Amino acid sequence: QVQLVQSGAEVKKPGSSVKVSCRASGDTFKYHVITWVRQAPGQGLEWMGGIIPVLGTPNYGQKFQGRVTITADEFTDTAYMELSTLRSEDTAVYYCARESRHAVGASDIWGQGTMVTVSS
Amino acid sequence: QSALTQPASVSGSPGQSITISCTGTSGDIGAYNYLSWYQQHPGKAPKLMIYEVTNRPSGVSDRFSGSKSANTASLTISGLQPDDEAAYYCSSYTGVTTLFGGGTKLTVL
Repeated sequence: QVQLVQSGAEVKKPGSSVKVSCRASGDTFKYHVITWVRQAPGQGLEWMGGIIPVLGTPNYGQKFQGRVTITADEFTDTAYMELSTLRSEDTAVYYCARESRHAVGASDIWGQGTMVTVSS
Repeated sequence: QSALTQPASVSGSPGQSITISCTGTSGDIGAYNYLSWYQQHPGKAPKLMIYEVTNRPSGVSDRFSGSKSANTASLTISGLQPDDEAAYYCSSYTGVTTLFGGGTKLTVL
């Protein structure tokens, strides 16, 4: 049973960066699209970007272009999302998710979420 | 690109059916059949309920069904149960990016 295990909660100062990891256990994910989605408190889901680890080229949501970097290590089955120039509005739960190989654009496995708090 | 449009809330009584709409444009929902629906209970990660407009992943109840007409997709839940009370999000893959709807809070009365 594949699981995505994310790194722990972070508290960051405005202007700094955060890097969240997402490790797959139980199966490799290098051929799947790995996406990052965030959810601000009480708000909806927001797609940030995605990557296919074996290819290594990410796609980013327009809103996050220039501020987010998504990478993946196919040998350790770990994906990373780094968000820079943090502001209070970036306070959110950040999820990684694995898209199904049989369902385009649909994520069937999700990490547990990582709470990132941006506060001075 | 703007988020997809969903009603903020819907409600229904146990045993009833409800439908949640998700409206996009000819560039997203209207152009692709890569429309998914997710269920999210408070404090939990989203769960995939429908993919590619009408398909259910293994283990998802057949009380959940999806459809699409032009630029609007719909999720129908029949035989409402208390555990169906949750937030529901539609999602459209546009070939390069993914858009989410704003979410609909379903209350089971």
